[in-house]
Parts: sequence; structure tokens; C-alpha cells
Amino acid sequence: GQQVMQIPQYQHVQEGEDFTTYCNSSTTLSNIQWYKQRPGGHPVFLIQLVKSGEVKKQKRLTFQFGEAKKNSPLHITATQTTDVGTYFCAGVFSGGYNKLIFGAGTRLAVHP
Amino acid sequence: GAVVSQHPSRVICKSGTSVKIECRSLDFQATTMFWYRQFPKQSLMLMATSNEGSKATYEQGVEKDKFLINHASLTLSTLTVTSAHPEDSSFYICSALPSGRAREQFFGPGTRLTVL
Repeated sequence: GQQVMQIPQYQHVQEGEDFTTYCNSSTTLSNIQWYKQRPGGHPVFLIQLVKSGEVKKQKRLTFQFGEAKKNSPLHITATQTTDVGTYFCAGVFSGGYNKLIFGAGTRLAVHP
Repeated sequence: GAVVSQHPSRVICKSGTSVKIECRSLDFQATTMFWYRQFPKQSLMLMATSNEGSKATYEQGVEKDKFLINHASLTLSTLTVTSAHPEDSSFYICSALPSGRAREQFFGPGTRLTVL
């Protein structure tokens, strides 16, 4: 079946360290989206990647979409305490009609 | 920005009762809305896709008679949990897809359901 896998499940970093979460799909995706959910909150859209090999940056966050459109890492440079939360990738499969299949999420803890 | 509201934010009910949750897109029209369920510290599980004016499409393993979805207008979808039981206790989140726009979904704040 269509699955989106995400690792690691948890990551603890010291403030200032870098952080990467990896998202992988069982099959080729139409597009991939990233969301952030703060504790007690709801998912908030971060970005969408559509093109093979695409790279997008938002300040200290770098998002990539693999050449085969099956994987997507999210990298945060020099983490800050405001980066705390769970980062979810969500894939849309071809013919999926905008239906998002979420990865398990990576919970990031940043120690000051 | 696009805002989606959910009501109620929290609900506690007795086992056997039915609970209705509303999802509204406040400043845009949404032909399609989605309903998710999220258990503590887990990911979002898509329950169903709600299309305005037509029947909802349920994901495998989700009972349509248990989770009734109505999308009567372009700004409102409702999820009714019928004959709720303690195992239905969860965080229910809706999202709305703006009509005619790109693929970004806007999520509601969620509804915490506790069934005693």
C-alpha cells in the first residue's frame, strides 16, 4: 500500500546544533508537503515540493525533494528553542486527489 | 491567511451518545475537506474525504455508519461520532482545501473528544 515513512521518531539537540528528518515513500509521489505541529496545537503548513530534485529554503530550514520523488529530507541549521515541535511530512500520491498520507512525524526537542 | 475553525474544541460525553463536530472555512470556500484522527504522540490518520454536495469517501477500516460526514455547503463539514465508546476518544482534526487553488490544506485547531 501507499506509505510514507519518517525517521527519526525523536531527536534531542542542543540549541545551535543542526537537525535533519528524513521522509521516504513506498512509491513515487505527486508532491510532498511539510507541516509543523507544536505541542497542543494543530499542524501548520510549512512548504510544498512538486518538482523532482527541488530544493526550497525558508530561513534556517532547507527542504529537498529527491530525484525519484520518493524521498524528502528537511534540514534545520542552528536550531533554536522556537523550532521545538513535531515535523510531519505528508505525501500526495499520483491519482490521490490531494489526499495527504502523513508520515509518523519527528518530534524535535531543543535544549538551551 | 486562510482560517479553519472547529467546534467544539473539547467535548466529554457518556458512552452511547452521539457527538457532532463542525469544521468551517471562515474566509474561503472549500469544495473538499478532510477529517483526520490523531492519537496522543502519533501521526494524523486520514479518516475520510468530504466533498461538498456528495457522499464522503472513507478510508479503509473507517466505519461510515460510525463516523457520519456531511458537507452541506462550501464552508461547512460536520463529523458525527455515533454511539461513541471510550475507544473513540481521540483528537479529531479537519482540514480544508481551498477551491480552485493549489494543494495546500489548512487545518482546524482540532477537537478533543473524551468518551467516558
